[in-house]
Amino acid sequence: EAGVAQSPRYKIIEKRQSVAFWCNPISGHATLYWYQQILGQGPKLLIQFQNNGVVDDSQLPKDRFSAERLKGVDSTLKIQPAKLEDSAVYLCASSGQRGGVNEQFFGPGTRLTVL
Amino acid sequence: AQSVTQLGSHVSVSEGALVLLRCNYSSSVPPYLFWYVQYPNQGLQLLLKYTSAATLVKGINGFEAEFKKSETSFHLTKPSAHMSDAAEYFCAVSGAGGGNKLTFGTGTQLKVEL
Repeated sequence: EAGVAQSPRYKIIEKRQSVAFWCNPISGHATLYWYQQILGQGPKLLIQFQNNGVVDDSQLPKDRFSAERLKGVDSTLKIQPAKLEDSAVYLCASSGQRGGVNEQFFGPGTRLTVL
Repeated sequence: AQSVTQLGSHVSVSEGALVLLRCNYSSSVPPYLFWYVQYPNQGLQLLLKYTSAATLVKGINGFEAEFKKSETSFHLTKPSAHMSDAAEYFCAVSGAGGGNKLTFGTGTQLKVEL
């Protein structure tokens, strides 16, 4: 079974530029998550989708971050404009059950450096 | 609100020695608890999870963890460390309700020395 795919793996941009990350979850997984992992910290949930609807985006900086999951499969996370403090690894995860306890499967992440 | 605290950002053990990584949780509802491992430049991999069944949970790679409600702890152990265990380990908590939002600790970097 293919895992969670993310691209690009690395991205370097200058502040005030825009950037987009792409995630392809495990086939059939209805729930998709985007996490931000700043160096030395644990991952922090940015947004959670159930199919193509947003379940939780309470920690997403909506003035500069946006995310979509058209057709309930792939997802993109965008930052516009980027700030220095956005330098982090952006992890995508997916899971396959409604409610209950299920395992989140993580992709390899995209390492963003903002100069 | 739920949170986890991982004591010790860096732990160093000798190969063959006991590994003990500490995690304490705070939750207003019965928690589900998880340990994830992250190798350099990779995503997180689930080691084990507690879901209110047996309090002693066995995971992959010889790791296990014990849920102790009286101590609000979920420490991760392995009897004998191997060089390949060197990685960063994250404890995480989610509520027993729907949503499955994970709240992670700050992580513990495990170093294994010869």
